Order: sequence, then C-alpha cells, then structure tokens
Amino acid sequence: NAGVTQTPKFRILKIGQSMTLQCTQDMNHNYMYWYRQDPGMGLKLIYYSVGAGITDKGEVPNGYNVSRSTTEDFPLRLELAAPSQTSVYFCASSPGTAETQYFGPGTRLLVL
Amino acid sequence: AQTVTQSQPEMSVQEAETVTLSCTYDTSESDYYLFWYKQPPSRQMILVIRQEAYKQQNATENRFSVNFQKAAKSFSLKISDSQLGDAAMYFCAYRSAFSSDGNKLVFGAGTILRVKS
Repeated sequence: NAGVTQTPKFRILKIGQSMTLQCTQDMNHNYMYWYRQDPGMGLKLIYYSVGAGITDKGEVPNGYNVSRSTTEDFPLRLELAAPSQTSVYFCASSPGTAETQYFGPGTRLLVL
Repeated sequence: AQTVTQSQPEMSVQEAETVTLSCTYDTSESDYYLFWYKQPPSRQMILVIRQEAYKQQNATENRFSVNFQKAAKSFSLKISDSQLGDAAMYFCAYRSAFSSDGNKLVFGAGTILRVKS
C-alpha cells in the first residue's frame, strides 16, 4: 500500500516557468489537500478537493491551480513561477471530514 | 479564524528522559480535533497522536501522551523515555469538526526537539 505519493521530490525552476506537481493516493480517499511549508513555518492550505470534479481554494491559492478528474489524482499547477513560491509542497488525503489526514513525502521547489 | 501557537521554538531532552511540548489554540468552536505531527529530517509528516475535543480522556499512544485542557485551550505533548529517533520538528494542528474549508488543518509554527545521548 503506497499511500500518498508525490513527484518530483525536488525541482529547480526559473522565474516565469510553469510546472505541475503530481499527487496520487491509492486509499480511495475522497478528500485531498495541497499545503505549502515555508522555512521554519507550519503548513498552509493552498487548495483542497472533496471529491472528483470538486475543488476549492484554501488560505494561499494565488499563483496556483488544481484539478481533480479522478479520485486518485490531484495535481497542482504553477503557471508563472515566482521566487515567493519557493517552498516545500505537501499533498494529503483523508477518507472524510472527521478522519485523519495522511501526508505524502513532499516536493521541494526552488524558484530562481 | 482559528490560530495555533507553539511558544517553544526549540527544546532539548536527554535520552530516556521526559519532555513536554506546549501548544495553545484559539477558537470559538466547541467541537474540533487536535493533532500532533512529527516531521523528521526526511520531511515526511507523521501523525503522532490525535484528540477529539468532545472526549475528556487524554489520548495516549505508547510513549506519547497529551494533556488536553479544553477550558484553557491548551494541548501539550508529553514524550516519555525519549529516544534518539524522536528528534524532529513537532507540529501542533487544529481542525474544525464542521465542514468548512474542507476541514483544513491549521498548524502552529513548530518546535524542534533535540535528543541528547
């Protein structure tokens, strides 16, 4: 059981480039989340999804987009990378609203 | 909006000793969940322990236990018989029991725990 997987593990982007961070879970969880963690800080919610085809903004959505075409996948898109998006990105999933969230290993992104 | 405060940026403990990490939170809600997550150098977020606000009994998981004081809005983590593998960043987190914002987790800034041999 792989749980929540994220790719890539690390990426360097130039300012203005675009990329997609991949997240897949094999636990058939309805809820999925994207968080970012800035150095020395806790995680902040970027976007979340309560099921396939349904997404909504979190605390810090600017500069990002998401889609949820399947239960398993929840990719995060950066359209025009900026230095402020240098961070570690975590994907998480949970079966329902009352359940614990399980995290992927994270993607470290450096924008130069 | 809910906030979570961890007032200890860094703590140290001798191997086999006991250490307590502090966490306070602010909310106007009566029903919610509280969590402690561990983040080792690998950056993986690992759930340590979970507490439901409606339960008066403090949660325990082996060497880990919490002191949940609902009226004081305090949720501390006690680690007994500390081991070298306990060294990590520890995050306290809050989640509403109501379905708003996808039941997001609100995190504190974290406490670095160092374990001395």
